[in-house]
Amino acid sequence: GQQLNQSPQSMFIQEGEDVSMNCTSSSIFNTWLWYKQEPGEGPVLLIALYKAGELTSNGRLTAQFGITRKDSFLNISASIPSDVGIYFCAGLTTSGTYKYIFGTGTRLKVLA
Amino acid sequence: GAVVSQHPSRVICKSGTSVKIECRSLDFQATTMFWYRQFPKQSLMLMATSNEGSKATYEQGVEKDKFLINHASLTLSTLTVTSAHPEDSSFYICSVGTGFEAFFGQGTRLTVV
Repeated sequence: GQQLNQSPQSMFIQEGEDVSMNCTSSSIFNTWLWYKQEPGEGPVLLIALYKAGELTSNGRLTAQFGITRKDSFLNISASIPSDVGIYFCAGLTTSGTYKYIFGTGTRLKVLA
Repeated sequence: GAVVSQHPSRVICKSGTSVKIECRSLDFQATTMFWYRQFPKQSLMLMATSNEGSKATYEQGVEKDKFLINHASLTLSTLTVTSAHPEDSSFYICSVGTGFEAFFGQGTRLTVV
C-alpha cells in the first residue's frame, strides 16, 4: 500500500537535545498528522495540521505543513527520556473516500 | 478527540479457528472506522475502511473473505480473522476517523499457533 517516507529512520540522542524529523510524499495531502506510538500500544495523536504553511506547537513539539502540501516536519525541543518511541506522520487523502496513509516511522531513543 | 476502545488486547488462537476483534467508539458517532495491521518494527498498513451500514472498502491485496469487517452501528466495528493461520499473527489496530483527525484503539496482538 501507499506510504509516506520519513527520515531519519532512527535517532539516538542525548537528553536535552533537540530533534527534527520529516515526512515526504509524492502526493498532495489535505491534512498532516503526527503520532507517537509506544510498544504494544496504538498511536497517540500529537499534532494536526490543516493547511499549507501552517506551523503548530504542542508543548515542546512543533510541526509544520509544507507549502507544497507534500511534506511536513516535526521538531521536539529539549528531549527527555519519555520522548522515546516511534513517531509516525500520516496524511489524510480525500480522493474517493477519505483515508489516512502512514509514514515509515522514526524510532527515537533518548540517552539520559 | 474520540476515545476508542479495542478488545481483546491479546489473543492466542489455534490455526484454523476464527477470531473476532471489537473496536468501539465511546464518545463519537463514528460513521467511518479504519483497520490497520502492523508487523514488528514496521509502519501501519491500512487494511480496510469500515463504513457504518455498508460494506467495507478493502485495500489492494487484502482478502475480504479472510478479514471480515462489520460496522453495524455508529459505535462498533468488528474485524473477524477467519480460518487464521500463523502468518496472520500480527498487531491489529483500529481507528475512528472524524474527517480530520484519526484516533486509535489500543491494538490487539494476535498470535496464531
